[in-house]
Amino acid sequence: DIQMTQSPSTLSASVGDRVTITCRASQSISMWLAWYQQKPGKAPKLLIYKASSLESGVPSRFSGSGSGTDFTLTINNLQPDDFATYYCQQYNNYFRTFGQGTKVEIK
Amino acid sequence: EVQLLESGGGLEQPGGSLRLSCAASGFTFSSYGMSWVRQAPGKGLEWVSSISPSGDGTNSADSVKGRFTISRDNSKNTLYLQMNSLRAEDTALYYCAKATVVTPFLFGSWGQGTLVTVSS
Repeated sequence: DIQMTQSPSTLSASVGDRVTITCRASQSISMWLAWYQQKPGKAPKLLIYKASSLESGVPSRFSGSGSGTDFTLTINNLQPDDFATYYCQQYNNYFRTFGQGTKVEIK
Repeated sequence: EVQLLESGGGLEQPGGSLRLSCAASGFTFSSYGMSWVRQAPGKGLEWVSSISPSGDGTNSADSVKGRFTISRDNSKNTLYLQMNSLRAEDTALYYCAKATVVTPFLFGSWGQGTLVTVSS
């Protein structure tokens, strides 16, 4: 299985900040990488797919980049609604795997 | 609007069985792949199993292979997960998820989950 490793596990930030979360795959996954946002008690929400494509309805302050094994999720001008846990997910093959998650907390 | 409503969770003893259901509405169910994704309490997400739109293709994580079976009834717009030989580590919130238009390998819409607790 392809292992996905996110860093950091927790990130403290303030409204208006720019935050970056990284995700590393144990082997090349080309651009087959997605990002999800999950708020407490809620189901995850797809934000980005194919490393950098924004899902419909997702604010443009979210962006993704990377290919191969190294990927980033960037949130510009962090908003109160963005404090949540973020997961990366590879879909290079049928056996999809998630990263362990990054919690974005209020500083 | 896409709606996915899971049911069937509960408390079961180790070695027991449960059958989860996911009632879908708001989209053409038979046109989309469907999946189950679980989340243990306080932990991250784990893909469990997926099924093709027609039901003739399935894949499961190694952690559940041979114990869990995914199926669907397109006439009832319902997805199922038959869970046998349950273990304590199967304790989790089980989400039903609909594939995206872009690719069947993504989880575009999710239900609110049904909680499975395996304990004696």
